[in-house]
Amino acid sequence: GDSVTQMEGPVTLSEEAFLTINCTYTATGYPSLFWYVQYPGEGLQLLLKATKADDKGSNKGFEATYRKETTSFHLEKGSVQVSDSAVYFCALSTAGKSTFGDGTTLTVKP
Amino acid sequence: GAVVSQHPSRVICKSGTSVKIECRSLDFQATTMFWYRQFPKQSLMLMATSNEGSKATYEQGVEKDKFLINHASLTLSTLTVTSAHPEDSSFYICSARDLGIETQYFGPGTRLLVL
Repeated sequence: GDSVTQMEGPVTLSEEAFLTINCTYTATGYPSLFWYVQYPGEGLQLLLKATKADDKGSNKGFEATYRKETTSFHLEKGSVQVSDSAVYFCALSTAGKSTFGDGTTLTVKP
Repeated sequence: GAVVSQHPSRVICKSGTSVKIECRSLDFQATTMFWYRQFPKQSLMLMATSNEGSKATYEQGVEKDKFLINHASLTLSTLTVTSAHPEDSSFYICSARDLGIETQYFGPGTRLLVL
């Protein structure tokens, strides 16, 4: 079946550091790929998405590129802020069903 | 756009009572809604998928008689936890999507505590 593997956390960075959270997937067919962010005590918010190979999703300084050859969708941000501290979930969707990674907790220190 | 609300956001109840959680899509028609359960510091576990006007499809291991799901309209789905017990305490999150759209939009979650 489909699966998503995320970089294990927690990840702790200083403010303005570069962020990469790795995500790889296995899927039958051609999935859409997503990154969601969850702040403490809240639901998930869609951060960005990509629907086909080589698409780049971007939002709020975050970006990720759909790499079919490496089955990856790594999340990057050039300069993180304290307010980016949250749990990040990589997910894929195919045939209307979503599969989530285990989540990566990011803590940004001032 | 694409806002999903959940009510209540937090509920505390006694063991043996039933609790209903509502999930509404506010600005789009949600042909499909999903119910997830999330334990602390863990990922989301899909409980069931509901399509408007039809019976929900439950994931393996989820008791359909305990977690009753109704998707009576294109904007509302409800999850009823029947005869709740302390082990049902969790964070329940719904999501919704429109026909033909792969993106799911999530509600803010409902924290259930059963005493």
